[in-house]
Amino acid sequence: LAKTTQPISMDSYEGQEVNITCSHNNIATNDYITWYQQFPSQGPRFIIQGYKTKVTNEVASLFIPADRKSSTLSLPRVSLSDTAVYYCLVGEGGSYIPTFGRGTSLIVHP
Amino acid sequence: SQTIHQWPATLVQPVGSPLSLECTVEGTSNPNLYWYRQAAGRGLQLLFYSVGIGQISSEVPQNLSASRPQDRQFILSSKKLLLSDSGFYLCAWSADTRSSYEQYFGPGTRLTVT
Repeated sequence: LAKTTQPISMDSYEGQEVNITCSHNNIATNDYITWYQQFPSQGPRFIIQGYKTKVTNEVASLFIPADRKSSTLSLPRVSLSDTAVYYCLVGEGGSYIPTFGRGTSLIVHP
Repeated sequence: SQTIHQWPATLVQPVGSPLSLECTVEGTSNPNLYWYRQAAGRGLQLLFYSVGIGQISSEVPQNLSASRPQDRQFILSSKKLLLSDSGFYLCAWSADTRSSYEQYFGPGTRLTVT
């Protein structure tokens, strides 16, 4: 049973806000939600992590509703350079190693 | 600040030849280290991880092996490469086991087995 479900692909245009939603219906009490970004031919880059409510940094915002069964990564005013694959991971860390699925391929158009 | 290095960046090897990929981390001590492989258009497959010198955990049984001879050095090896070993190999580190979901990746090695 997959821990997370996210869209395979999304398209957007420069200057728009992009919201990528991840479903994690079986999230456990101790689990955190983590998002990575991967550009072609590069390793993934950790971008944000949260447990509940809202987390914001210089790259993105992460919205987590009270039931924590989903989360939304929000990228404000995307540019062409935001074209990448975005991975949503759920887990508590510790002895658990994250599993990277296929992620969401975001393509930003001019 | 912490830096992670991998080399070589690209590699073309014939079937049956040996492999050695190296990863080093700077600016941190006793990190957790990870080796992943990514096939074209796919997610990342965890191959090995290490919580300390000489401590290696294997996630996928195959013809690859890993070693950690020094605190910040992680090596991926094979005695005889298969065509199916082609892929993008990524090394990553995390500060400790508790932070295993906050990993920092190297630039990767693109391996083509011919």
